[in-house]
Amino acid sequence: QSALTQPASVSGSPGQSITISCTGTSSDVGGYNYVSWYQQHPGKAPKLMIYDVSNRPSGVSNRFSGSKSGNTASLTISGLQAEDEADYYCSSYTSSSTLEVFGTGTKVTVL
Amino acid sequence: QITLKESGPTLVKPTQTLTLTCTFSGFSLSTSGVGVGWIRQPPGKALEWLALIYWNDDKRYSPSLKSRLTITKDTSKNQVVLTMTNMDPVDTATYYCAHRRLMRYFDYWGQGTLVTVSS
Repeated sequence: QSALTQPASVSGSPGQSITISCTGTSSDVGGYNYVSWYQQHPGKAPKLMIYDVSNRPSGVSNRFSGSKSGNTASLTISGLQAEDEADYYCSSYTSSSTLEVFGTGTKVTVL
Repeated sequence: QITLKESGPTLVKPTQTLTLTCTFSGFSLSTSGVGVGWIRQPPGKALEWLALIYWNDDKRYSPSLKSRLTITKDTSKNQVVLTMTNMDPVDTATYYCAHRRLMRYFDYWGQGTLVTVSS
């Protein structure tokens, strides 16, 4: 089972919007609406930001939004803030025996 | 309120077996659709999913580590145990356990425990 592909880094200025892509296959991202996104600050545990492609858990800012097209899912952060600087990982349900696959991770830098 | 906490040795020697325990509260691992997973992260590297166990005792493993991993649950103690055999320095990582909801995502994570493999 190969990891989902994410860009290594994405940057933006405060107030801007950025988008992180997550590319898989028809066996994972493209086949199910079960993509999730996690934010991880240095030295901290990951935090769920988006589940089932576009749903936000209670307490997560509406500046975070998710979408999917074909085999690629996306996380958009609007109104970028300094506190958004972190690593972001996507994940997807997969039809393989593992049932789960993570992305390679993206470092978001706020300029 | 759901909480999870990992416990186990911080240092293991090469070839030894690692045993990690995830102790949780706020949910039952006998509830339909619920699971607990183990995920690790080597220093400076990406998350790597290791294993999952579900309420019905369905178990899944990372293909690359399957021969070395065993995941079990003790519902009465609210614990999930992960064992990894033949530890190697490349297995040095922070190991997390997490609550899996509806078999689709991890919504609560433990704080993680750093395990160093060194002689």
